[in-house]
Amino acid sequence: LAKTTQPISMDSYEGQEVNITCSHNNIATNDYITWYQQFPSQGPRFIIQGYKTKVTNEVASLFIPADRKSSTLSLPRVSLSDTAVYYCLVGTDQGGKLIFGQGTELSVKP
Amino acid sequence: DTGVSQDPRHKITKRGQNVTFRCDPISEHNRLYWYRQTLGQGPEFLTYFQNEAQLEKSRLLSDRFSAERPKGSFSTLEIQRTEQGDSAMYLCASSFEGFREKLFFGSGTQLSVL
Repeated sequence: LAKTTQPISMDSYEGQEVNITCSHNNIATNDYITWYQQFPSQGPRFIIQGYKTKVTNEVASLFIPADRKSSTLSLPRVSLSDTAVYYCLVGTDQGGKLIFGQGTELSVKP
Repeated sequence: DTGVSQDPRHKITKRGQNVTFRCDPISEHNRLYWYRQTLGQGPEFLTYFQNEAQLEKSRLLSDRFSAERPKGSFSTLEIQRTEQGDSAMYLCASSFEGFREKLFFGSGTQLSVL
């Protein structure tokens, strides 16, 4: 499974757009990228998933360049409630175990 | 759909005791995962089931840990002869086997070994 690298922490202010970039240099052809969000004392929650180009849902956008060696999670106009840890994961098409890294701790300030 | 349920939410035990946790997955999900998480770290994979079959178990998991999923429904994770290093949040997740499956996590069981 491809290993991922993300910044340990990021700070932002309410109303700003936040972009968290993840590196996955060894991603394989059949691998896809998923982002999860985790609040304290809760399990991770699925945010968004993609294979290439751009994916958007009601929560976030995911940008994946053509070489797929990185991906960027974009959170538009963050609020205090977006303060959480964000994990980037790479998984195979057929599922199975996902390996979590240390994640990015996002702190949104008023 | 009531989500993934874990019981208990908190468990305090003394070193050397055995503990058992239960996970009830989303009913139509056939895959069930166990992870362990310590403060400041991401969840660490322990094991997963497809229906009642245990398909993979982490090499990091000592033989004091055992998991079962009888009849492919709920699952239990037992830790025998607990050690202080076992203190962690134990997370359960379930998914429906398929293309690029998504994991749905429970709120976890927080274990404290004194």
